[in-house]
Amino acid sequence: DQQVKQNSPSLSVQEGRISILNCDYTNSMFDYFLWYKKYPAEGPTFLISISSIKDKNEDGRFTVFLNKSAKHLSLHIVPSQPGDSAVYFCAARVGSSNTGKLIFGQGTTLQVKP
Amino acid sequence: NAGVMQNPRHLVRRRGQEARLRCSPMKGHSHVYWYRQLPEEGLKFMVYLQKENIIDESGMPKERFSAEFPKEGPSILRIQQVVRGDSAAYFCASSKNSDTEAFFGQGTRLTVV
Repeated sequence: DQQVKQNSPSLSVQEGRISILNCDYTNSMFDYFLWYKKYPAEGPTFLISISSIKDKNEDGRFTVFLNKSAKHLSLHIVPSQPGDSAVYFCAARVGSSNTGKLIFGQGTTLQVKP
Repeated sequence: NAGVMQNPRHLVRRRGQEARLRCSPMKGHSHVYWYRQLPEEGLKFMVYLQKENIIDESGMPKERFSAEFPKEGPSILRIQQVVRGDSAAYFCASSKNSDTEAFFGQGTRLTVV
């Protein structure tokens, strides 16, 4: 049972344009959502997060939006840069006392073309 | 401050052999998590340990897999009698407390031939 789903395996955008990565979840008990970025042969690197009590969190070029009623979140990157090319994972957790136990989506490979 | 260190980075084992994967958490971190990533899939939680204790092993296969985090030294993920289906990338993450952010290591890529 895939509780966190990233339905787009890949996304290609032009440098300078907006990248929008999507994520859907099924478990209404998730209280915290995170996005990780992963380069080949490296571990995931934390990018940005959002608590379930918020609907938006922004950090520089990265903004995460949460729509609880639709059980959907998205990551916006603007403007996109070639160095953003990587695999992006959406992750969710249940409860604030177990921050390392995360449920990951399958990942979306982003390619930003110069 | 060194990050989470995993070794070896690459490990090749023949079917039936044992694989030992090591994880040294970040300095000051006493919580360790192990994840497995199969090809074309996301990371799957395996086990959560604190020093000398297994807190949550709900993601560990019932047989052949074990994990420990001794008082001294790194955390070890041990896979006995490996099979080809164990070939994957194994990631370790650590956190300072149970309610602080976890940081990932670079992973160990296990190949069973």
